[in-house]
Amino acid sequence: SAVISQKPSRDICQRGTSLTIQCQVDSQVTMMFWYRQQPGQSLTLIATANQGSEATYESGFVIDKFPISRPNLTFSTLTVSNMSPEDSSIYLCSVDLAEVEFFGPGTRLTVL
Amino acid sequence: RKEVEQDPGPFNVPEGATVAFNCTYSNSASQSFFWYRQDCRKEPKLLMSVYSSGNEDGRFTAQLNRASQYISLLIRDSKLSDSATYLCVASRNRDDKIIFGKGTRLHILP
Repeated sequence: SAVISQKPSRDICQRGTSLTIQCQVDSQVTMMFWYRQQPGQSLTLIATANQGSEATYESGFVIDKFPISRPNLTFSTLTVSNMSPEDSSIYLCSVDLAEVEFFGPGTRLTVL
Repeated sequence: RKEVEQDPGPFNVPEGATVAFNCTYSNSASQSFFWYRQDCRKEPKLLMSVYSSGNEDGRFTAQLNRASQYISLLIRDSKLSDSATYLCVASRNRDDKIIFGKGTRLHILP
């Protein structure tokens, strides 16, 4: 398995602002992902964070709203831009190790 | 039709009982299957992979039925600490995204 940390663990933000979430892994991994989990819902994949190239976004998610950085094999950031209350959710990063996904502890975001 | 479907529950089960729930998947090309456990306000954690021949890990048994396209999870001698949401996962191959079900909530009652 991997040890994955996320910062911040939670935040309360004002509408129209942006928040950057950090994800750090204790080992080098090729595949890192960002998910959103809204209350009472399952996980929805936002994008795959690719090291050295642009992230690959899933249908319904765009780079302008969720810019992602992946500067190396142990770190990634997800920014939630121009937030609205509908962005209130838990955001989780995950890594693929031997075809199994392991998740970070999540960032609980509330947008007022 | 949703790609991975689960009964959301909740399943309210007395401690010590056996409980089983299924998960159906729509894509016959799915190759890898997993059960994750998610506690309230926590991240999902891998419970077990599901192998074609079925597999057991202590009180937990997972089965795969490719013909009917479902996987199952059986929990024997349930404990209070088994209370959680159980997420079913299917994926096609190593490079494909994995699909999570919405989860089945399990409450073990004292």
